[in-house]
Amino acid sequence: DAKTTQPPSMDCAEGRAANLPCNHSTISGNEYVYWYRQIHSQGPQYIIHGLKNNETNEMASLIITEDRKSSTLILPHATLRDTAVYYCIAYQGGKLIFGQGTELSVKP
Amino acid sequence: NAGVMQNPRHLVRRRGQEARLRCSPMKGHSHVYWYRQLPEEGLKFMVYLQKENIIDESGMPKERFSAEFPKEGPSILRIQQVVRGDSAAYFCASSPPGPAASSYEQYFGPGTRLTVT
Repeated sequence: DAKTTQPPSMDCAEGRAANLPCNHSTISGNEYVYWYRQIHSQGPQYIIHGLKNNETNEMASLIITEDRKSSTLILPHATLRDTAVYYCIAYQGGKLIFGQGTELSVKP
Repeated sequence: NAGVMQNPRHLVRRRGQEARLRCSPMKGHSHVYWYRQLPEEGLKFMVYLQKENIIDESGMPKERFSAEFPKEGPSILRIQQVVRGDSAAYFCASSPPGPAASSYEQYFGPGTRLTVT
């Protein structure tokens, strides 16, 4: 699986959009971009995934660049409950390889 | 549709005892994964199982650890002769069967916190 790079931490004001970047320059053609988050010490929570096209669900939007070398997870209206560690993973099935992720702090 | 169930949620064992962690996947899911999170560290893959088969155990320690997912019943992660370094949160995840990675999203349970005294 391709390696991903994320900033270690970010802050976001409550009610504003949180944009979390991820670089995956070595991603292969059959690897999807998956996003998970872990709130405090709970089990990781699946957020969204995509291959080439932008994706949106009730939780977030995923924007993937045309060359697929990077992507951005967007939480449109961040709340305090979105404070968590967010993981971007290049994935083609089987085991998930978690990096260090981005620690997002949503502040009032 | 109940999520992934893990029990117990907290487990205390003395050094040398055995720990048995259970995971019931989501309904309709036939793939189970175990991950470990040591204190202040990230999540590390341990093992991937389908019913009655171990698909990938590349993350399992060579000794004392074993996992199974029988035809009937939950998946079991077994740790024999526990040591203090085994103290961690153990998470189980499940995913549905499917032909492509687009269906491989894994859904995690709440975890079992193992403390070895």
